[in-house]
Amino acid sequence: ILNVEQSPQSLHVQEGDSTNFTCSFPSSNFYALHWYRWETAKSPEALFVMTLNGDEKKKGRISATLNTKEGYSYLYIKGSQPEDSATYLCAPHHTGGFKTIFGAGTRLFVKA
Amino acid sequence: EAQVTQNPRYLITVTGKKLTVTCSQNMNHEYMSWYRQDPGLGLRQIYYSMNVEVTDKGDVPEGYKVSRKEKRNFPLILESPSPNQTSLYFCASSPTGTEGRGNYGYTFGSGTRLTVV
Repeated sequence: ILNVEQSPQSLHVQEGDSTNFTCSFPSSNFYALHWYRWETAKSPEALFVMTLNGDEKKKGRISATLNTKEGYSYLYIKGSQPEDSATYLCAPHHTGGFKTIFGAGTRLFVKA
Repeated sequence: EAQVTQNPRYLITVTGKKLTVTCSQNMNHEYMSWYRQDPGLGLRQIYYSMNVEVTDKGDVPEGYKVSRKEKRNFPLILESPSPNQTSLYFCASSPTGTEGRGNYGYTFGSGTRLTVV
């Protein structure tokens, strides 16, 4: 089974803080990474699809970077707001298989 | 509206009573998949389908069955539910069933919370 690790497992920050978390995955045969935002009592929603080494994507105050050679991606949130409270999931994709493995997620709590 | 529709949203059932959770998408997506979410374990894949009549096991297929007779529908069947199948279930779809599906984000249904007593 593909090993996908997300850290930290949970994070508590104050409103206005900037924060970041990590998704690590095997670099061999990698070709794409998904980031999802999952709010409580809702379903996961796609944030970013990333494919290129050095790629950087941005959506409002949230951005992500990708390092395909070493097998990791960072998700950054600038000036966290209470509405950013959610679980952030990553799902790397590798050639040679059709399963999808999700990381266990980083649970973010933003206190007003 | 493009969406993945799951039913029911909530279900309480008894051990051994067969049940089906339906999943339907209106986006003409080829790839569909079922996941279960348990505390501390994240999303684990149960079964997936790359296209009509093509299904395969994910990481936790025991106790589940699926079928893909039409492109839009991908029901999850529990022939004899047990308490360890109490979980939150999600159906998801992606435009392509080839390896290139990684180039597209998945669309998730709203989830089914199943309790087996």
